[in-house]
Amino acid sequence: NAGVTQTPKFQVLKTGQSMTLQCAQDMNHEYMSWYRQDPGMGLRLIHYSVGAGITDQGEVPNGYNVSRSTTEDFPLRLLSAAPSQTSVYFCASSYGGASTDTQYFGPGTRLTVL
Amino acid sequence: ELKVEQNPLFLSMQEGKNYTIYCNYSTTSDRLYWYRQDPGKSLESLFVLLSNGAVKQEGRLMASLDTKARLSTLHITAAVHDLSATYFCAVLPTQGGSEKLVFGKGTKLTVNP
Repeated sequence: NAGVTQTPKFQVLKTGQSMTLQCAQDMNHEYMSWYRQDPGMGLRLIHYSVGAGITDQGEVPNGYNVSRSTTEDFPLRLLSAAPSQTSVYFCASSYGGASTDTQYFGPGTRLTVL
Repeated sequence: ELKVEQNPLFLSMQEGKNYTIYCNYSTTSDRLYWYRQDPGKSLESLFVLLSNGAVKQEGRLMASLDTKARLSTLHITAAVHDLSATYFCAVLPTQGGSEKLVFGKGTKLTVNP
């Protein structure tokens, strides 16, 4: 099992550019989520999905889009990057969701927006 | 809206000493997680606490939950350098099917020889 994988590990964007952060898991987990981590802020939930075809907003969804076409993949799209989106992004997954199971976190993507 | 506060945010301690990290939260919850994060790394699950009075122990770490006081503690016994990391609590509010886990800001622990 590779667990939760994220690509890329590092990315630098210019303001206004778009990109997709990739997240994949091979544990057949139904629940997947995206967090951002900023210095001194802990982790904040961006979007989550309880299964293929189902997504919902978290605490800080603005500026981000998600979709879940397969159980394995949960990409996070930035349509027009802004400096405020400079952060470390973590993807997490679990079989039953935060209400039933511990989440497993990916290694993170460090994004800088200039 | 659920608020989660950790205290202290920074903790420097000597090896062999004991200390406690506190996690307070503002609304009802019956599921609380503790995670560890090493510098530049991802988060690793330490404990999940499910009910009032729950206590979990792993090595030199012990976590407890008091749902009536809305308080969880992470107690460190006889600290060693390897415990240096940032520790987060994360709380799931008790509101109909919520999956929105809310994290504290983290406690950065440094254990000095």
